[in-house]
Amino acid sequence: AQTVTQSQPEMSVQEAETVTLSCTYDTSESNYYLFWYKQPPSRQMILVIRQEAYKQQNATENRFSVNFQKAAKSFSLKISDSQLGDTAMYFCAFMKQRGGGSNYKLTFGKGTLLTVNP
Amino acid sequence: EAEVAQSPRYKITEKSQAVAFWCDPISGHATLYWYRQILGQGPELLVQFQDESVVDDSQLPKDRFSAERLKGVDSTLKIQPAELGDSAMYLCASSSRDLAKNIQYFGAGTRLSVL
Repeated sequence: AQTVTQSQPEMSVQEAETVTLSCTYDTSESNYYLFWYKQPPSRQMILVIRQEAYKQQNATENRFSVNFQKAAKSFSLKISDSQLGDTAMYFCAFMKQRGGGSNYKLTFGKGTLLTVNP
Repeated sequence: EAEVAQSPRYKITEKSQAVAFWCDPISGHATLYWYRQILGQGPELLVQFQDESVVDDSQLPKDRFSAERLKGVDSTLKIQPAELGDSAMYLCASSSRDLAKNIQYFGAGTRLSVL
């Protein structure tokens, strides 16, 4: 079974600064996907960024980028120029293809609560 | 922008009562997921549908939980009888059949409190 570990239950950062959230995972699969989801207080979970394991290039989405180290099974999220609206719970998630078609399952970590301070 | 709709947003019930949650996925999404999220933890998959068929319900407590997606569109998750330990956020998500778009879109969830 796959496991996802987020070792930082809480983090804080000053507005406009950069912060990195850590994530490690354990799998024997070679083909899989990794995600960071953001869950703001009392709001729905939304996708921040997605990485395909077979791609060596790290994914980026505007101020969000990842450091994907496949051999180390590490997938950290860097948020640049932090904004107050970035305050949220961040979940790292692993997905492998199960069976055929679109039978995907997400395995989540326990999350990191990020607070951006003014 | 299309969203996953869930209702109710909040539900308070007494233990041993029956509760039901409803989810309407993004139009055209073949795959629908129900997750349970206990406070302070990440979501855990309860059941996954592909169209109207159950693909995975290995983590669904079948003695008290049931889920259906009769016409392959909207879905209902039921708990009967509810227990104190069922207090949690119940999230619904959906995804496209397109393998290149294996992104799950989440609804706002139903927060259940069992007293």
